[in-house]
Amino acid sequence: QKEVEQNSGPLSVPEGAIASLNCTYSDRGSQSFFWYRQYSGKSPELIMFIYSNGDKEDGRFTAQLNKASQYVSLLIRDSQPSDSATYLCAVGGGSSNTGKLIFGQGTTLQVKP
Amino acid sequence: GAVVSQHPSWVICKSGTSVKIECRSLDFQATTMFWYRQFPKQSLMLMATSNEGSKATYEQGVEKDKFLINHASLTLSTLTVTSAHPEDSSFYICSAPGGGSYNSPLHFGNGTRLTVT
Repeated sequence: QKEVEQNSGPLSVPEGAIASLNCTYSDRGSQSFFWYRQYSGKSPELIMFIYSNGDKEDGRFTAQLNKASQYVSLLIRDSQPSDSATYLCAVGGGSSNTGKLIFGQGTTLQVKP
Repeated sequence: GAVVSQHPSWVICKSGTSVKIECRSLDFQATTMFWYRQFPKQSLMLMATSNEGSKATYEQGVEKDKFLINHASLTLSTLTVTSAHPEDSSFYICSAPGGGSYNSPLHFGNGTRLTVT
């Protein structure tokens, strides 16, 4: 079992729709959860981070965390073509708690005009 | 916000030569930095944790004698790929926690695309 799992996609949504990206993780002791966006050929950029169960909203983005289910998601409202990218889920603070993040394989999002 | 600078952004070298990649935290101190590698259409794989003033910690399967890491100061870590081979061609990205705690978000450099011919 992979430590952090994501559906590789591609996930295709029309412009203006809600995109829902999902991620599960295996280390129950994980404490920090991040979503990064990566455009082709570029390095990842931080979109959201969440530490506590529940929802966290920032503009068009909402991160949701359910530690009991070991599940974290990212919702993108009013999706734009510029949101087309690969979204990486990253989990940290697990049993080793050294600050390193474990990344999922990423979900490719395509927003069609 | 925390800025991480990585240099060079791309490099082409011949098989058997060595390449050094620099990673700097520009507006904050980083006692720990992380080096990742990403092959095409794959996710980021952690190679090693760079620790200021002590030896780096390598992930399983990463050759420490091939990928030399030096964390010379609180703002600089270097990765040297020694005796590079074509299979080392990849996208190398450094990162550092911007908030100073283990749970802080990682901020990434722009990456170095290494091509070994």
